[in-house]
Amino acid sequence: EVQLLESGGGLVQPGGSLRLSCAASGFTFSNFAMSWVRQAPGKGLEWVSAVNYSDAGTYYADSVRGRFTISRDDSKTTLYLQMNSLRAEDTALYYCTRLLKYCSGGTCYSRVSDYWGQGTLVTVSS
Amino acid sequence: DIQMTQSPSSLSASVGDRVTVTCRASQGISNYLAWYQQKPGKVPKLLIYAASTLQSGVPSRFSGSGSGTDFTLTISSLQPEDVATYYCQKYNTDPWTFGQGTKVEIK
Repeated sequence: EVQLLESGGGLVQPGGSLRLSCAASGFTFSNFAMSWVRQAPGKGLEWVSAVNYSDAGTYYADSVRGRFTISRDDSKTTLYLQMNSLRAEDTALYYCTRLLKYCSGGTCYSRVSDYWGQGTLVTVSS
Repeated sequence: DIQMTQSPSSLSASVGDRVTVTCRASQGISNYLAWYQQKPGKVPKLLIYAASTLQSGVPSRFSGSGSGTDFTLTISSLQPEDVATYYCQKYNTDPWTFGQGTKVEIK
């Protein structure tokens, strides 16, 4: 059974930093791309960042580029999100997601979230 | 960046009704579109990817269609357990933007 367990959320002051972790189990972590998606209280979903499984290439939303860094440790089957220079608008529930691998027309993709963790809450407030 | 606009923002329908949710991209995205369902207080769930491919385990009353800029999620016969907010997401290029969501309720 695929399991994704986020941790590291909490209350932080504006300008502060946090590192989120996502412990994965139930699948071969090194074979899957992973991502972070967030949801502000009472709001919709916002894609934040993703990391490939092959070349560890990374992708970011414009709202977090330059402030957040996604990384992975395949030996620990863990995904990370280092968040710096936090702002009030970063307040949200942060979900770790596994990216589905599928192939179409001879090309394979890993961009769709097929498994989600329960999320960890980040609150940025003074 | 490409914007994703869903309509309507909310709808109310009766059990057994056919329900349609629309997602429009501000530029063409081929078929790089997914649909998710988020029930109240729950984690989002993948329903459809590649615009029309049903994720394993998803009931067949859900279907997706479209290509380019206009996409549709259809529930052929609305059930009480389908009460949820539905999101589209484009993923042709990053950022992999979500639509704002469509809340589906039972009348």
